[in-house]
Amino acid sequence: DTGVSQDPRHKITKRGQNVTFRCDPISEHNRLYWYRQTLGQGPEFLTYFQNEAQLEKSRLLSDRFSAERPKGSFSTLEIQRTEQGDSAMYLCASSSSVHTEAFFGQGTRLTVV
Amino acid sequence: AQSVTQLDSQVPVFEEAPVELRCNYSSSVSVYLFWYVQYPNQGLQLLLKYLSGSTLVKGINGFEAEFNKSQTSFHLRKPSVHISDTAEYFCAVSPSGSARQLTFGSGTQLTVLP
Repeated sequence: DTGVSQDPRHKITKRGQNVTFRCDPISEHNRLYWYRQTLGQGPEFLTYFQNEAQLEKSRLLSDRFSAERPKGSFSTLEIQRTEQGDSAMYLCASSSSVHTEAFFGQGTRLTVV
Repeated sequence: AQSVTQLDSQVPVFEEAPVELRCNYSSSVSVYLFWYVQYPNQGLQLLLKYLSGSTLVKGINGFEAEFNKSQTSFHLRKPSVHISDTAEYFCAVSPSGSARQLTFGSGTQLTVLP
């Protein structure tokens, strides 16, 4: 068990570009979450998958954001037409049906210049 | 809906001194309670959790927390801190009985001074 893995760890992009992040959950975890953390704040929920189904989306997830989890394994989070306000740490977490806690990855730090 | 208030944004403390990080929550339903720790440029690591039963829960690295339902609090304590405990600490809640999303507080930066 190597834990939740996120790639890349850091991403610098120009405003207006599209970016995609990947999350590999702990194997056999059927639940996957994305959170966003801005400087000096706690993580804020973005979206939640159970297997391949996206069951919840926060209103923070504007139409420029899309998340997928094909085949219920890894997940991707894409941000289109990035804005400076999108600069943040994007955290992925996973859990199983029997776990009450979520296990977090190390995050992807996005900087939009 | 749930909300979490961490009453202190920064807590400086000398090495080997005791520390308490305060957390209050609000919820219309029963909740699970968690404390996570985050080191610089890292993800979050679970310190401890309260699900039900004994209101005093023990976690890793010598931390413990006490659930107080009447005061809707879940304060984190350690009797003697080390330099290595310097980190950001987050209190979080989720609705009980499900693995729904967590609602986090804004965090408390614990700085342990030599």
